[in-house]
Amino acid sequence: AQTVTQSQPEMSVQEAETVTLSCTYDTSESDYYLFWYKQPPSRQMILVIRQEAYKQQNATENRFSVNFQKAAKSFSLKISDSQLGDAAMYFCAYRSDPWETSGSRLTFGEGTQLTVNP
Amino acid sequence: EAGVTQFPSHSVIEKGQTVTLRCDPISGHDNLYWYRRVMGKEIKFLLHFVKESKQDESGMPNNRFLAERTGGTYSTLKVQPAELEDSGVYFCASSQDPDRDYGYTFGSGTRLTVV
Repeated sequence: AQTVTQSQPEMSVQEAETVTLSCTYDTSESDYYLFWYKQPPSRQMILVIRQEAYKQQNATENRFSVNFQKAAKSFSLKISDSQLGDAAMYFCAYRSDPWETSGSRLTFGEGTQLTVNP
Repeated sequence: EAGVTQFPSHSVIEKGQTVTLRCDPISGHDNLYWYRRVMGKEIKFLLHFVKESKQDESGMPNNRFLAERTGGTYSTLKVQPAELEDSGVYFCASSQDPDRDYGYTFGSGTRLTVV
């Protein structure tokens, strides 16, 4: 079974600065997908960024980018030029390739609460 | 397009009572998932519907939990009788084709407190 670990329960960053959230995972599969989700307080969880394991290039979405290290099974999220609206709980998630038997379920980490200080 | 709607947003019940959570997925999304986050831990998978059929219910903790999706539209998750350890946030997500677009739309969750 796959596991996802987020070792930072809480992180804080100054507005306009850069912060990196850590995520490691364990799997025996070679093809899979990794996600970062953001959940603002009392709001729905939304997708921040997605990475396919077969792609060597790190995914980037505007101010959000990942550092995907497949051999190390690490998938960190970097938020540049942090904004007050980035304050939220961030979840790292894993999904098996469709050919695997795990189906389309997501496996999540424990979450990292990000505070952005003005 | 309306998003995934869950209600109630909060529920406080006594141990031994019954609670029913509801999830309305995005119209046309055949895939519906239930997850829950207990005591600040990781979000765990409960089950997956494809239309009205249970595709995967391996995450259901015990037989006190009953999920239904009659007609392949909205879904309910009933907890009967509720125990203290059932407290947490229950999330619902829907997807049109998770094996193609890998997109899941989540609801805001139902916070269940059992006292």
